Amino acid sequence: AQKITQTQPGMFVQEKEAVTLDCTYDTSDPSYGLFWYKQPSSGEMIFLIYQGSYDQQNATEGRYSLNFQKARKSANLVISASQLGDSAMYFCAMSIHNAGNMLTFGGGTRLMVKP
Amino acid sequence: DTGVSQDPRHKITKRGQNVTFRCDPISEHNRLYWYRQTLGQGPEFLTYFQNEAQLEKSRLLSDRFSAERPKGSFSTLEIQRTEQGDSAMYLCASSLVGLVVHEQYFGPGTRLTVT
Repeated sequence: AQKITQTQPGMFVQEKEAVTLDCTYDTSDPSYGLFWYKQPSSGEMIFLIYQGSYDQQNATEGRYSLNFQKARKSANLVISASQLGDSAMYFCAMSIHNAGNMLTFGGGTRLMVKP
Repeated sequence: DTGVSQDPRHKITKRGQNVTFRCDPISEHNRLYWYRQTLGQGPEFLTYFQNEAQLEKSRLLSDRFSAERPKGSFSTLEIQRTEQGDSAMYLCASSLVGLVVHEQYFGPGTRLTVT
């Protein structure tokens, strides 16, 4: 079975600074994907970034980058130059390729950006 | 692209009543997923369809839960004889099998309150 662990229930960051949200995962399957989603107070889940288990380079999408350390089974999200609109819940998730790709989510981290 | 839509957005029902939720995926997407999210938790997977075939339903929470996708387009999730523990946000997501990144696009969710 797959498991995602997010150990930071809540975090503060000063506007314009960078912040790292932690995520560790557990699976015995060699082919998987790792995702980060943002959930604002309005409730919708917004896809941010994806990393495949065989990808050699860390994924980047604008201000978001994923620090993928396969041996440590970690997939931390780095947000650069934080903005007030980044205040939200952030969920790390994993899917197993060729097994339906259903997502297993962590418990989330609430990020609060201070002006 | 109008995104994933869900109806209703909110539902209040009395214990013991049946409820049905609808999800309209992105039109060209062939996979449709249902998740449940309780307060303060990450979403948990319930079931998914590829076209009209329901390929995984063992994670539906009880036999009171059922889902259909009769023509491979919209899907419905029904809960019979609702209980207070069913109160949660029900999320629908869709994706297109065949892309390298199996990104799932989420709808806004249906918030169910059982009184």
